Amino acid sequence: EAQVTQNPRYLITVTGKKLTVTCSQNMNHEYMSWYRQDPGLGLRQIYYSMNVEVTDKGDVPEGYKVSRKEKRNFPLILESPSPNQTSLYFCASSLYGGTQYFGPGTRLTVL
Amino acid sequence: KNEVEQSPQNLTAQEGEFITINCSYSVGISALHWLQQHPGGGIVSLFMLSSGKKKHGRLIATINIQEKHSSLHITASHPRDSAVYICAVSSTGNQFYFGTGTSLTVIP
Repeated sequence: EAQVTQNPRYLITVTGKKLTVTCSQNMNHEYMSWYRQDPGLGLRQIYYSMNVEVTDKGDVPEGYKVSRKEKRNFPLILESPSPNQTSLYFCASSLYGGTQYFGPGTRLTVL
Repeated sequence: KNEVEQSPQNLTAQEGEFITINCSYSVGISALHWLQQHPGGGIVSLFMLSSGKKKHGRLIATINIQEKHSSLHITASHPRDSAVYICAVSSTGNQFYFGTGTSLTVIP
């Protein structure tokens, strides 16, 4: 089944404790992206990747890191999480210029 | 700065009504996307279009590139159409920008 998976789905952590949210797709898509969704602000792009070893900043990259060592994986790293990073996070992938397929979301709470 | 504006923010309709959600954007785009998000959070892509009109079942999406405007229409609305509808654009710079969504409730 074609899908985008994210793990974990729910995470509660404390300020400053490094964490990684994994994202994997099995559709051989070149384009992958991370978004956060906040009430009243909607979805905003954090980082995106056009292909392996190519990553670019989106609208709200501060406090986040990403890597794209393999085509299928695009982990999101929060090296020192803060409460303002409490949000619902989505990973998505697509063929270049194509329809986006979204993961199920990761609800992160930083205390 | 709001690259994508949607209206209305909230919409309540009676079952069977014709519904229109509007989207305007201010950046150069390679495509415009309509997304659906049900309670529980999952996001599904409904349409991707760069010109003209697309139809899928009771849903119709149109785009006017010159006016930088798109509409999503739902004909013969049904309670199962209740969801948040989100307009998004993929810019010519490969970034995505999103509207804040339209929350639709269809009452039986």
